[in-house]
Amino acid sequence: GDSVTQMEGPVTLSEEAFLTINCTYTATGYPSLFWYVQYPGEGLQLLLKATKADDKGSNKGFEATYRKETTSFHLEKGSVQVSDSAVYFCALSDTGGGADGLTFGKGTHLIIQP
Amino acid sequence: SAVISQKPSRDICQRGTSLTIQCQVDSQVTMMFWYRQQPGQSLTLIATANQGSEATYESGFVIDKFPISRPNLTFSTLTVSNMSPEDSSIYLCSVATGLTNSPLHFGNGTRLTVT
Repeated sequence: GDSVTQMEGPVTLSEEAFLTINCTYTATGYPSLFWYVQYPGEGLQLLLKATKADDKGSNKGFEATYRKETTSFHLEKGSVQVSDSAVYFCALSDTGGGADGLTFGKGTHLIIQP
Repeated sequence: SAVISQKPSRDICQRGTSLTIQCQVDSQVTMMFWYRQQPGQSLTLIATANQGSEATYESGFVIDKFPISRPNLTFSTLTVSNMSPEDSSIYLCSVATGLTNSPLHFGNGTRLTVT
C-alpha cells in the first residue's frame, strides 16, 4: 500500500537558516504530492502541491520538487522565520485531488529560534 | 476554498460515554472524510462519509465504534462510541471539492480527552 516517510522531529533551527525536511514515498502509479502545515492550535492548511514528475510547488517561500526517480518531495526554504514554527506533513494521493483521502507522513515539528 | 466549521473544538469525556462531532461546510462538497490524529502521530483516515449511504471505513475502523452520518452535501457527524482513554486524539473533518487536482481542506479539529 501507499506510504509516506518523512524525517523525524523536532527540527530546531535559528532564524534565517536554510530548511530541508525530507519526504519520500511509496505508491502505485503516479500520485499527487502535498505538504500541509499545522500551526499551533490550528487545523491543517495546504502549503503546496505537485501533481506530476518534475513539478515544483511553491508558497510562502517554501518549495518542493516532485522527483519521480528518487520518489521524493523534500520541502525547502532558504531563510526561515520564527513564524514558520509548526508541524509539517507530507502527503500523497493516488487520484490527483485527494478525493480518495490522503496518506500522510508522521509529521515533522519545526522549531525556529530567534 | 471551502470553510469548515467543526464542533466541539475540544471535550473531556468519561470512559464508556459517546461523543458526536459535527462538521459543517459552507458549500456543497463531493467528498467528506474523517481523520484521527493520535498524540505525536500522523493522520489516519477513519472513513469516507457518503451522502445518502453508509460510510466507507478503512481497515481497523468499524461502524459500531465510529458511526458516521452524512444527511446532505454540507454536513456530517462522527460519533466516538463507548470511549476509552485510547480514543484520546484529535479528530479532523476534511472535504474535497471535486475539482481536478483540488486538495483536501481541513477543519480545525476536535481535541478529545477520555478520562
